[in-house]
Amino acid sequence: EPEVTQTPSHQVTQMGQEVILRCVPISNHLYFYWYRQILGQKVEFLVSFYNNEISEKSEIFDDQFSVERPDGSNFTLKIRSTKLEDSAMYFCASPHVGEATTDTQYFGPGTRLTVL
Amino acid sequence: QKEVEQNSGPLSVPEGAIASLNCTYSDRGSQSFFWYRQYSGKSPELIMSIYSNGDKEDGRFTAQLNKASQYVSLLIRDSQPSDSATYLCAVKTNQAGTALIFGKGTTLSVSS
Repeated sequence: EPEVTQTPSHQVTQMGQEVILRCVPISNHLYFYWYRQILGQKVEFLVSFYNNEISEKSEIFDDQFSVERPDGSNFTLKIRSTKLEDSAMYFCASPHVGEATTDTQYFGPGTRLTVL
Repeated sequence: QKEVEQNSGPLSVPEGAIASLNCTYSDRGSQSFFWYRQYSGKSPELIMSIYSNGDKEDGRFTAQLNKASQYVSLLIRDSQPSDSATYLCAVKTNQAGTALIFGKGTTLSVSS
């Protein structure tokens, strides 16, 4: 059972609009990761977030993207001015709380973003 | 550029057979290795992790790691139709908070 859930499960938006994808942890998490997977392609890392700060980001994670933890629990990925090529599955991942290693990343169910 | 390579398949095996999935990686600094299973339209599900050279067994699954050859594999014994999915190899360095680098995945089809 994943320790993170994601909302919404499916988001449809018009090109140029802003979207906010949410990752909702079941228990206290310090590490969060966002990945995306364009249909038929590999899972790609976007950004990692530790203790309320970005710890690593990829070349994909440009100024169009931002992450924050607005209320200390939920973790959001904002995409400003969406483009057609942003259409993908977006996954939040996190280690299990209490596990000895923080290496292992468990994925949430994902949000399917469709940009029209 | 850190790369993880997998044969895309499809790999087809009959029910009850052993399925062998392979993965190579380019970054010698990689320390942690993972196999995920992904059903169509679903999120990746962790199957195995392996950190040291050699074999690691968990039920019907065995992960094998050879850091000198930069090679990691997954064996599935007694393959079942429910094992039909895409298997993703992922690697990372040993630093906390760093990214998983994924291969494109190998599609496995188990026929009954």
